[in-house]
Amino acid sequence: DAKTTQPPSMDCAEGRAANLPCNHSTISGNEYVYWYRQIHSQGPQYIIHGLKNNETNEMASLIITEDRKSSTLILPHATLRDTAVYYCIVSPSGATNKLIFGTGTLLAVQP
Amino acid sequence: EAQVTQNPRYLITVTGKKLTVTCSQNMNHEYMSWYRQDPGLGLRQIYYSMNVEVTDKGDVPEGYKVSRKEKRNFPLILESPSPNQTSLYFCASLKTSDHNEQFFGPGTRLTVL
Repeated sequence: DAKTTQPPSMDCAEGRAANLPCNHSTISGNEYVYWYRQIHSQGPQYIIHGLKNNETNEMASLIITEDRKSSTLILPHATLRDTAVYYCIVSPSGATNKLIFGTGTLLAVQP
Repeated sequence: EAQVTQNPRYLITVTGKKLTVTCSQNMNHEYMSWYRQDPGLGLRQIYYSMNVEVTDKGDVPEGYKVSRKEKRNFPLILESPSPNQTSLYFCASLKTSDHNEQFFGPGTRLTVL
């Protein structure tokens, strides 16, 4: 079972920041927070991951609360091509590397 | 270009006719995996392989076989397909030292009549 809770859908205006929340209150100390997205029926795409520090890459920023029970993915300037289902996944590094996908958040970027 | 390729991308077949979906990656990744995606059930892992000649069951392995004879290839075999295996299938690969940053293929949409 997915160990994360995300809103089923969100809207965002093109050019504005999209802030996607995720709750993972049962996260363990060795588990990372990963974000993937899936544009309609395409293969999921890795976005970013973090353990406890905030992270930023060319695609997005990840803000993890100090208690690690929740996080926010930030797309700083959303475009129409960012319309996708966004998955927040908690997973330990190593082991079987299995990703447990929940239902995610459908982000609709509006023109 | 680093990529995971799958073939075929679309397939319509009949019950009981053996089929193979190929998966190949050009990134020298040790880990490869197969997922299926169904409406309302999300993506579920079928099989995975930590390296050549090492495979293991995921969450929904029934009705599927895999092999890993070469590092780059990880075919998914349906010996006797049934309609409940109609689904969208994704192959993924990972360099095991790179956390869980998996690369996914474009998907294979399979319909079993």
